[in-house]
Amino acid sequence: AQKITQTQPGMFVQEKEAVTLDCTYDTSDPSYGLFWYKQPSSGEMIFLIYQGSYDQQNATEGRYSLNFQKARKSANLVISASQLGDSAMYFCAMREGSAGGTSYGKLTFGQGTILTVHP
Amino acid sequence: DSGVTQTPKHLITATGQRVTLRCSPRSGDLSVYWYQQSLDQGLQFLIQYYNGEERAKGNILERFSAQQFPDLHSELNLSSLELGDSALYFCASSKRLAISTDTQYFGPGTRLTVL
Repeated sequence: AQKITQTQPGMFVQEKEAVTLDCTYDTSDPSYGLFWYKQPSSGEMIFLIYQGSYDQQNATEGRYSLNFQKARKSANLVISASQLGDSAMYFCAMREGSAGGTSYGKLTFGQGTILTVHP
Repeated sequence: DSGVTQTPKHLITATGQRVTLRCSPRSGDLSVYWYQQSLDQGLQFLIQYYNGEERAKGNILERFSAQQFPDLHSELNLSSLELGDSALYFCASSKRLAISTDTQYFGPGTRLTVL
């Protein structure tokens, strides 16, 4: 079963507008972390923001915020005031917290959403 | 700059050959992870080391192996290379072993092309 689902293969936004990138996840582990990474065309993976399953408030980091709806198992990334440099692939990822077994620390990634910012 | 370094940045080789990818984690990080990114498979977890010991394995082929040395740098060895092994290989590091809140920081990747 797909653990991380990003349903938007591509998104377009006008410069200075806000955009929401969708991410839903599936886990039975009560302890987990949700992460967003940005991958520009140069290829590197840049960490943007993190949300823990027990966090009471939505995470924010500069122009990035995470709309965390635990009951709906969604962790959407909101980018405010889009800039041309935000054009990139964005990945949602999850790390489950159960120690033991063979999945100690692995991140499970979604398929990504390509964001294009228009001037 | 994440603080994770990977060498080489690009690698072009032929089928059947063997290559070694190298990674140095961020200062203070004990966990090192290897991921493979390909067009058909997306981003896949390969293996995790923590303080020199293998601790988790993903969909890593038997032709692939890795190790983490006492100075915490890690190497990923790929042998009997096939065309399908062409991909972007990432190393990531984090401080801890198995905490869900532990952020992984990625290196710039090694782009492997098998001809």
